[in-house]
Amino acid sequence: DTGVSQNPRHKITKRGQNVTFRCDPISEHNRLYWYRQTLGQGPEFLTYFQNEAQLEKSRLLSDRFSAERPKGSFSTLEIQRTEQGDSAMYLCASSPSSQETQYFGPGTRLLVL
Amino acid sequence: QKEVEQNSGPLSVPEGAIASLNCTYSDRGSQSFFWYRQYSGKSPELIMFIYSNGDKEDGRFTAQLNKASQYVSLLIRDSQPSDSATYLCAVNRGSGGYNKLIFGAGTRLAVHP
Repeated sequence: DTGVSQNPRHKITKRGQNVTFRCDPISEHNRLYWYRQTLGQGPEFLTYFQNEAQLEKSRLLSDRFSAERPKGSFSTLEIQRTEQGDSAMYLCASSPSSQETQYFGPGTRLLVL
Repeated sequence: QKEVEQNSGPLSVPEGAIASLNCTYSDRGSQSFFWYRQYSGKSPELIMFIYSNGDKEDGRFTAQLNKASQYVSLLIRDSQPSDSATYLCAVNRGSGGYNKLIFGAGTRLAVHP
């Protein structure tokens, strides 16, 4: 399968714990995006990487959130001191620089108890 | 006012009918528009994109764009029960050569036999 992959697919954690999600984009895609989606809403943009550079962060990305893409390949999204309001589906998408279309991974569903 | 607005539905159509899904956006400078389909519990999958005023057809799907009215629509001909899903409209609000998709909340489509 050469699509975007995300791990884990599901994560249940207790409030206050840290969690980390991984995204592996399509191999030739140098652009990588993170979105968050809550029930009944569309995905909300969180952040964007061009290769290893993080070029934009949404105001939604509080200080508890950090994302990295150290070698311009896979990316991680870490949430520190999770809160119940962080419960959502976290989606990763990628695209080549030659296209505007973004291709989404299967998502990581987070539940904070 | 939300940047991208969609009627939440559900839009119920009989099998074989045309389903018409509508979307309005607030930023007159937006240039590119996307329709994604999302099945329950799954991630969004791209159906179509459109950049120019007018119609764009792909199989049973037709996207329509009217920039003067800030209106995008998706028509699904010969609707099938397998088309039952949430349809997300997205507008590219990125700058400097990257994409930042702003999504509507989606319209739920139900195609009944």
